[in-house]
Order: sequence, then C-alpha cells, then structure tokens
Amino acid sequence: DTAVSQTPKYLVTQMGNDKSIKCEQNLGHDTMYWYKQDSKKFLKIMFSYNNKELIINETVPNRFSPKSPDKAHLNLHINSLELGDSAVYFCASSQGFGQTYGYTFGSGTRLTVV
Amino acid sequence: GENVEQHPSTLSVQEGDSAVIKCTYSDSASNYFPWYKQELGKGPQLIIDIRSNVGEKKDQRIAVTLNKTAKHFSLHITETQPEDSAVYFCAVGVANAGKSTFGDGTTLTVKP
Repeated sequence: DTAVSQTPKYLVTQMGNDKSIKCEQNLGHDTMYWYKQDSKKFLKIMFSYNNKELIINETVPNRFSPKSPDKAHLNLHINSLELGDSAVYFCASSQGFGQTYGYTFGSGTRLTVV
Repeated sequence: GENVEQHPSTLSVQEGDSAVIKCTYSDSASNYFPWYKQELGKGPQLIIDIRSNVGEKKDQRIAVTLNKTAKHFSLHITETQPEDSAVYFCAVGVANAGKSTFGDGTTLTVKP
C-alpha cells in the first residue's frame, strides 16, 4: 500500500505545453504539500493545503495552480511550461497543521521541459 | 523567514566510522527538528525527529542532539554501513507555520 502516490513518475514535454501532476495519500493526513527539488537537490516549498484550504503559496509563478478536491488529493497544474520548470516535484503529507509533524513524501515526478 | 544552514555538503567516511551532520537555524520559535534520508530515485524519508523540549534522541545507530540556546542540531550515525549512503536533509518546523524549511542536504558516501 503506497502511502503517498504521485503520477506520472516521469513527464517529458515541450515548452509552452500545459501539464498536470496528481497526488493522493491514504494516511488520513490533514495537510498536503508540493515541494520542488532542483538539480542541486535543494528542496523548496511551493504550496501547502490544510483540509482542502490553501495555507501557503510560496511566491510561485501563477502558471502553477494547485487544486485539492478533498483532503486526500492535491494536484498540480502547470501552464505554459518553461525550461526552468524542469525539476523533480514531490508531494508530501503530514498529520496536522497546528502542531508540527514529519512529512511522508511521494516518490516524485521528474519533469523535463525541452 | 526561517534560515537553515546545513554542513557539510558532502561527507565521505569508511564503513564502520561515525558520521556527523550539523544544522543551524535562525528562528528561536522553531520547535520541531526532523531528519530525512533520500536514496537515489526516491522521495525523502523521515528517519528521526526531535522536539524542542528534548535534548537528545536515539534510535539504534542514529541519534539527534539539539542545542536550543545555540540554535543548532546534529545527526549522528554510528557504525556506518554502505546502505547509509544517501542525501540527508535536516528541516526545521514552527507550530502553525504550515511548512518545514529544509537544509540544502548532505551527500554521505560510506566506502566499504
């Protein structure tokens, strides 16, 4: 049973295209996140959602639009893809928001924009 | 915002030796300090964490120590094995902040 699952695992697309990444967690967690990992392995928060409500939008270009239809799902849609968007995108979840808890990460989606 | 510095960026040890990775942080309100291990092609995995009311925590060969006064915490791995080779990230969390801030990672290589 995969706790946090992301699809697709790999995504290769041309500049200017629009693409989506899906994430689902079966842990019953309240909070979900999108993190971006660049080629230097740095992990940067993009968004966090608590019970379907957007909590953090960390100065991400508005070409990136997250959507949380329910607290078990958090999807990421990217419009007009650019070369600089190439990275590994990780979805994660944690138990709560008011208290701090560790994250459970998905296995990542490697996005390559050509 | 929170600033987390992690050192060293790379660390190479012989199998059986100990490895220590250190992180410093800036926000005195920080109260949660996890460590993650990321193996090649996988997502980071939580391996140990500590909260601000505890100074040290151990789990078999790994331990974390926290010095709140100096605002630093460290990961200690004893009797290293080749399967410990990975990228290790520290992170810092603040209650109600809605996120953890990650260090830049340490690539640990354990030579057999």
